[in-house]
Amino acid sequence: DAGVIQSPRHEVTEMGQEVTLRCKPISGHNSLFWYRQTMMRGLELLIYFNNNVPIDDSGMPEDRFSAKMPNASFSTLKIQPSEPRDSAVYFCASALAGDTDTQYFGPGTRLTVL
Amino acid sequence: GEDVEQSLFLSVREGDSSVINCTYTDSSSTYLYWYKQEPGAGLQLLTYIFSNMDMKQDQRLTVLLNKKDKHLSLRIADTQTGDSAIYFCAESINNFNKFYFGSGTKLNVKP
Repeated sequence: DAGVIQSPRHEVTEMGQEVTLRCKPISGHNSLFWYRQTMMRGLELLIYFNNNVPIDDSGMPEDRFSAKMPNASFSTLKIQPSEPRDSAVYFCASALAGDTDTQYFGPGTRLTVL
Repeated sequence: GEDVEQSLFLSVREGDSSVINCTYTDSSSTYLYWYKQEPGAGLQLLTYIFSNMDMKQDQRLTVLLNKKDKHLSLRIADTQTGDSAIYFCAESINNFNKFYFGSGTKLNVKP
């Protein structure tokens, strides 16, 4: 299995631009999670889906952030407009509910907003 | 909400044992996990323990769970320089797989 795939691996953009991060979960997994990691705040859960339905988006910082999961094999996290304080590493993880609940992480997208 | 705490740093010499500790507050956790993060990489699952177990051993790794004190530890025997990384503990509370992560412990292994 290829594991969780994220793209791009690195993104540099200017303040005010729209940023879209992509994630392909492990085939057969039915839960998907978006995390943000910074030095100051550590690892934060932004939103998670179960069977493509958003279950908890209480970690989404503000309305500039949105996430979708149109099907079981694809999810996006969009930031519009982006700000320098959004600079972080964004991780996607997937899991199979009813298994050991283990989450498998992607390699992350390092986002820099200038 | 749930609170998972870890010390921030641990420094050991190569060949010694490392013990990384974690405390949590929710007694209804179902599984507890240890993840390893190397620089520039994602989180890699090291091991997990079901909440009705006290101990789990996997090669150089030993996980101890004290449910009464809500204390989880990871022991790495014969620590190597390649073990230098950040180690995260996490718990799941049977809620659509939602995890609660600690802040991570940065393990530095000196040659």
